[in-house]
Amino acid sequence: QSALTQPASVSGSPGQSITISCTGTSSDVGGYNYVSWYQQHPGKAPKLMIYDVTNRPSGVSNRFSGSKSGNTASLTISGLQAEDEADYYCSSYTSSGTLVFGGGTKLTVL
Amino acid sequence: EVQLLESGGGLVQPGGSLRLSCAVSGFTFSSYAMSWVRQAPGKGLEWVSAISGGGGSTYYADSVKGRFTISRDNSKNTLSLQMNSLRAEDTAVYYCAKSLTGTTFRSGYCFDYWGQGTLVTVSS
Repeated sequence: QSALTQPASVSGSPGQSITISCTGTSSDVGGYNYVSWYQQHPGKAPKLMIYDVTNRPSGVSNRFSGSKSGNTASLTISGLQAEDEADYYCSSYTSSGTLVFGGGTKLTVL
Repeated sequence: EVQLLESGGGLVQPGGSLRLSCAVSGFTFSSYAMSWVRQAPGKGLEWVSAISGGGGSTYYADSVKGRFTISRDNSKNTLSLQMNSLRAEDTAVYYCAKSLTGTTFRSGYCFDYWGQGTLVTVSS
């Protein structure tokens, strides 16, 4: 199972919006609404930010939103804040009954 | 408060074995699927294995199939990962993770609680 494709890095200024893409295939992202996104700060465990493509767990800011079109899922962060600077990973359930992660995207807040 | 505490990591030679454990508290353990996810130094996340709430169904990444075995003891609230025939590429921090919902892996494919991780280093 190949990793989902994410851009290696994105950046934005405080207050701006950014979008991170996550491209897979019809056997994973495109075939299921089982896409999730995680935020990971250095030295910390990942934190679930979005699940089932668009849903936010309790306690996650509504500045974070998710969407999907075809085989590509996206995470949008609006009103960028300094504390949003982190690595972001997408993941998807697959037709093989496994889970695949994206390679990760480093978000820099300028 | 939900807590997941991994143990058992360490330095092991190539071809060796290691058993990781994850002690959990703060939720009804048997009601949730559980997974192991690893992260090689400086690299991204890689899902390793999952087990259903009752323990009857197990799932593995191709990279560890046949070498790793996941299990759980619902009476002791403990998740385990037996790792055999270890390779250098298995070197990583191993996290145990609780599924957000559901006893099956498909319904519980995403994780709302993670442990702090335990480092496994495979080297001679």
